[in-house]
Amino acid sequence: SQTIHQWPATLVQPVGSPLSLECTVEGTSNPNLYWYRQAAGRGLQLLFYSVGIGQISSEVPQNLSASRPQDRQFILSSKKLLLSDSGFYLCAWGLGVANSPLHFGNGTRLTVT
Amino acid sequence: DAKTTQPPSMDCAEGRAANLPCNHSTISGNEYVYWYRQIHSQGPQYIIHGLKNNETNEMASLIITEDRKSSTLILPHATLRDTAVYYCIVTSRNTGKLIFGQGTTLQVKP
Repeated sequence: SQTIHQWPATLVQPVGSPLSLECTVEGTSNPNLYWYRQAAGRGLQLLFYSVGIGQISSEVPQNLSASRPQDRQFILSSKKLLLSDSGFYLCAWGLGVANSPLHFGNGTRLTVT
Repeated sequence: DAKTTQPPSMDCAEGRAANLPCNHSTISGNEYVYWYRQIHSQGPQYIIHGLKNNETNEMASLIITEDRKSSTLILPHATLRDTAVYYCIVTSRNTGKLIFGQGTTLQVKP
């Protein structure tokens, strides 16, 4: 069966520090991968998605970037964190077709101080 | 992607059926209706999806109107653990990516 791993579960970082969040998927090949963010009291916002290694699409302009160095690895990064980057970050995978659901990880709660 | 409209909140008595409505009047012919829920501080959990026909699984039933402009998620016997935010989403046909709205906060009360 397929599983998705996200780490760390919680993170507290100072403003201006770098960020690296990692997500890995097991049990499937060539998945579509997604990064979502949920600010406090807000809905989920799609940040990036990837349909293959090295292929990244950005949904909103921001202080973050994403990379997919391996088929089942998706990384969310920032060179310098802002206070507004605080939130709940979720990774998800899917088969990339309309008739197949997305499956989410347990998320990383990031607090920028 | 078609836009969805859901009531912001609903209450349900424990043990009773919870019926969560969703309007998606601009849905296209090949777009699916998906339902997810998010319990506080957890990732969204997939519940069910459908295209035209009604669907049922171990978690819930999905009723889609004949014109496909609205749907209802039914939790047949709600428990306290069903308290969550429920999202109705219409998919993108190209990438399968989901665009989440504000959802319905369901409060199951004893």
